[in-house]
Amino acid sequence: SQTIHQWPATLVQPVGSPLSLECTVEGTSNPNLYWYRQAAGRGLQLLFYSVGIGQISSEVPQNLSASRPQDRQFILSSKKLLLSDSGFYLCAWMTGVGYTFGSGTRLTVV
Amino acid sequence: GIQVEQSPPDLILQEGANSTLRCNFSDSVNNLQWFHQNPWGQLINLFYIPSGTKQNGRLSATTVATERYSLLYISSSQTTDSGVYFCAGSSNDYKLSFGAGTTVTVRA
Repeated sequence: SQTIHQWPATLVQPVGSPLSLECTVEGTSNPNLYWYRQAAGRGLQLLFYSVGIGQISSEVPQNLSASRPQDRQFILSSKKLLLSDSGFYLCAWMTGVGYTFGSGTRLTVV
Repeated sequence: GIQVEQSPPDLILQEGANSTLRCNFSDSVNNLQWFHQNPWGQLINLFYIPSGTKQNGRLSATTVATERYSLLYISSSQTTDSGVYFCAGSSNDYKLSFGAGTTVTVRA
């Protein structure tokens, strides 16, 4: 079956610390993968998307970066977190019938 | 990208009531979805509906692609229907754009 895994579920990090969030999908090959962020009480903003290994497109210039080292792995990173990086981060992949989202990571930068 | 406008922003319902949520798009879409975000933040896919009408239990959705809007109907609402409902769409660039959401509160 096709599933998407995202971890960790929650994360509290100090300002200036690094970040690595991981997303993996199962049961498919060469998926289109996406990272979204949701600020508190707001809609979802597309951050990055990838159509293949090593192919990353950035939608919003910011303190974050993304990488796709393997076909079914998508990583969101930061070298130094800012307070404004706090939010709910969701990974998604595009299937034949729309997008499926992971369970999300709630990041609080303190 | 596509601009998505949702209305109303907030909706308070008495249990058992019916309601309609609307979504307008700035351009044609070839992917249109409705999601329900539960209290834990999980986005639950309700409908993939780029055109036509679909029903799933007490929920149904209709998309009129030529007029760039979609409607989500909730019938006989229950407290478990509470949460935020998002519509989202994409065109040929496959980048899903979200509306700001409708927060639904169903009171017992």
